[in-house]
Order: sequence, then structure tokens, then C-alpha cells
Amino acid sequence: DSGVTQTPKHLITATGQRVTLRCSPRSGDLSVYWYQQSLDQGLQFLIHYYNGEERAKGNILERFSAQQFPDLHSELNLSSLELGDSALYFCASSTGLAGQYEQYFGPGTRLTVT
Amino acid sequence: AQRVTQPEKLLSVFKGAPVELKCNYSYSGSPELFWYVQYSRQRLQLLLRHISRESIKGFTADLNKGETSFHLKKPFAQEEDSAMYYCAPLKRGAQKLVFGQGTRLTINP
Repeated sequence: DSGVTQTPKHLITATGQRVTLRCSPRSGDLSVYWYQQSLDQGLQFLIHYYNGEERAKGNILERFSAQQFPDLHSELNLSSLELGDSALYFCASSTGLAGQYEQYFGPGTRLTVT
Repeated sequence: AQRVTQPEKLLSVFKGAPVELKCNYSYSGSPELFWYVQYSRQRLQLLLRHISRESIKGFTADLNKGETSFHLKKPFAQEEDSAMYYCAPLKRGAQKLVFGQGTRLTINP
């Protein structure tokens, strides 16, 4: 167990809907990263927050947004969902700001858009 | 842009045989290099990082700056090595890891 928790584990929703995925980092970790894992795209970095501030963006669609709250948990909001958004969404946390710190991954949220 | 290539999506070897998972990256300089592993029904976790020069679970990875490669090797594969492996080079000072597409390693008995 990495200490990173994600809820929900599974989510099934319809196209056009909006969902929120939640991530609680390891105690003391200030960085939270979000990734999307799909069969054809592999593991894609979406966004990185450090101590409440957005620090880096990857291949994140405009329909997606995220935030990190004062208690350091993070939420990933996905709106106007499309079939292609079906994937496993991981968050990871680390102690530091820079990428060389080991990232501890959560179990993921499996999103199915029908 | 940073790019990392793991040319083999699937790799299958017999137990006891040597295994090599290939990883090539596209940028110059001295990156930090990581291998992450995801065993069945488990979460993604760090396997090893180049800077520590450790051998984890019998795996080693050598940085070849000339070829810009960071291949993962193990001399004698074991069945419990079956997993998904991701290479992730990190440009020094960068804040995000760029993961390769991953290689699914299957060790046959």
C-alpha cells in the first residue's frame, strides 16, 4: 500500500456527463500528479500540483480541470465526457517539487463512458 | 520535446532466460532515469532509478549516453517478474515524468 488513496474505484457514466475523481496523497507529500492510462496511449501525464499550485501541464484536454485543496487532496474534473475518455486515471504523490522524487501511485479510478 | 520509446509492447521469455526491456529517450544531457513496474492487480511502483545504482529484484539498468538508452536487464527471469514495465527519463530540473508506452513482460514456466 503506497498510502495514496483514490475514490471512486470504478465509475460508469454516459457521454456528455461530468465526473469528479478524488485523490488523497501520502501524508506529508506536497506534490500530486494525475495520469491517464489507456490501452492505445499508454500512461499519459495530465497535470501536476504542488502545495495547492499548478506546476506543470501535460496532455490535458480543456474539458478536464484539476485542483489541489489546502488539505492537499486533489480532484480531477472531467466534463462533456466522450467515449474516448474511458480509461484508468491514476494519481501519484511525492514529497518534492521536482520530478526526481519517487512518485507513489494510487490504485486508480476506472472510468467507463457509455 | 521529451520523448521516450519502448519499442516492444509485448515481450515473452522463458523462466531462467535473460531478459532485456529496451528504452530509448530523445533528449541530450544527463537525465535522471527511472523504471516503474506494475504487477497484476497492484499499483504502479518504482522499480529502480539510475542514480542509486542499485540492483532491485535482480534487475539492473545501464545508461548509455551515446545511444541515449536505459535498457532494463535481468540475467535469469523468474515467473514473478511478469508485469508491465515503464521507462521514465526525466530531464534534470523538469517537474514531470514522461513515461514510455510500457512493455508487458510475460515469463513462461
